[in-house]
Amino acid sequence: SQTIHQWPATLVQPVGSPLSLECTVEGTSNPNLYWYRQAAGRGLQLLFYSVGIGQISSEVPQNLSASRPQDRQFILSSKKLLLSDSGFYLCAWDQGREQPQHFGDGTRLSIL
Amino acid sequence: SQKIEQNSEALNIQEGKTATLTCNYTNYSPAYLQWYRQDPGRGPVFLLLIRENEKEKRKERLKVTFDTTLKQSLFHITASQPADSATYLCALDDAGGFKTIFGAGTRLFVKA
Repeated sequence: SQTIHQWPATLVQPVGSPLSLECTVEGTSNPNLYWYRQAAGRGLQLLFYSVGIGQISSEVPQNLSASRPQDRQFILSSKKLLLSDSGFYLCAWDQGREQPQHFGDGTRLSIL
Repeated sequence: SQKIEQNSEALNIQEGKTATLTCNYTNYSPAYLQWYRQDPGRGPVFLLLIRENEKEKRKERLKVTFDTTLKQSLFHITASQPADSATYLCALDDAGGFKTIFGAGTRLFVKA
């Protein structure tokens, strides 16, 4: 069966520090991968998606970046965090259109 | 651009009653529409997908309808239970692209 792992579950970082959130998928190959951010009471904001290794599409210009070094690994990074980067970050995968997305359990990021 | 509107007010119902949640979209009719359940601090979990040529889809106690004339989907939970308490998100495709657009969700509370 397919599983998705996201870590860490919670993270507290000072303003200006770097960030690396990792997501891995098991039990499937060549998935589409997604990074979302969810603010309290708001919908999911798509940040990045990837249809293959090294292929990254950015939806929102900001100080975050994403990379896909392996087929089932998706990394969200920042060189210098801002207060506005606080939020709940979710990784997800699917196998194409009309296929459900499968989400990890998210990372709660707090910037101090 | 496409916008999804879900009732931001929480829905409180008594155990055993039918819960009905509404999802309205404002622009083009999507090829398909999905419903997800999200528990606090967790990622969304896929429940049902309904295509534009389907008027109704059922799964156990869940029923989804899709009215492209009204630009609306209704999500019903019959014989509701306290365990059904969660936030329910509506999501739809972005007219041919890779993106899925999510609504902010409606919080459901089922009282015993």
